[in-house]
Amino acid sequence: QQQVKQSPQSLIVQKGGISIINCAYENTAFDYFPWYQQFPGKGPALLIAIRPDVSEKKEGRFTISFNKSAKQFSLHIMDSQPGDSATYFCAASTPGYQGGKLIFGQGTELSVKP
Amino acid sequence: DSGVTQTPKHLITATGQRVTLRCSPRSGDLSVYWYQQSLDQGLQFLIQYYNGEERAKGNILERFSAQQFPDLHSELNLSSLELGDSALYFCASSERAGSSYNEQFFGPGTRLTVL
Repeated sequence: QQQVKQSPQSLIVQKGGISIINCAYENTAFDYFPWYQQFPGKGPALLIAIRPDVSEKKEGRFTISFNKSAKQFSLHIMDSQPGDSATYFCAASTPGYQGGKLIFGQGTELSVKP
Repeated sequence: DSGVTQTPKHLITATGQRVTLRCSPRSGDLSVYWYQQSLDQGLQFLIQYYNGEERAKGNILERFSAQQFPDLHSELNLSSLELGDSALYFCASSERAGSSYNEQFFGPGTRLTVL
């Protein structure tokens, strides 16, 4: 129940296209859903995050869509660029005294072809 | 640059040995989290400290321990190392704990290789 399932495992998109990565969860106690971007040899970097009381959040070319009833959320990268080629992780966390720790999806390796 | 520092960057050691990984959180952040990243297990939460106190434990082996010092830096101690402990170890920090809405910022990681 603590799992976050992410798909696809890998994604190839043409420059200028839309990249879509999906995540699903079971634990309804999750109340914070961030996305992280990781380049080889670097630590994960926070990209964008959403709370379950919001259905969509947009920051530049990055948009999170959130479907609370389906327990799914997704990352959309508009006008994908070769510089976006990286591994993307969705995550979720719960509130409370012991809250805050992130449960990560398995990651999606995105390759944007020029 | 996230503001979180980790040392060393790389560590190569032998089975059965003990190592210490160090993390300095961002200025003002009271909470420190340790994560392990491996090819087969992905990114897994190990342990969390808040202002010197242990708050939560994840999939952390008994051979591993951690602490957070009064200056808020944290150390992760790995002992009786096995080949399977080879992984990237990340530290993350956040301003608060107990709330889910606190952004976690990750350090550059320590790559541990056990031979």
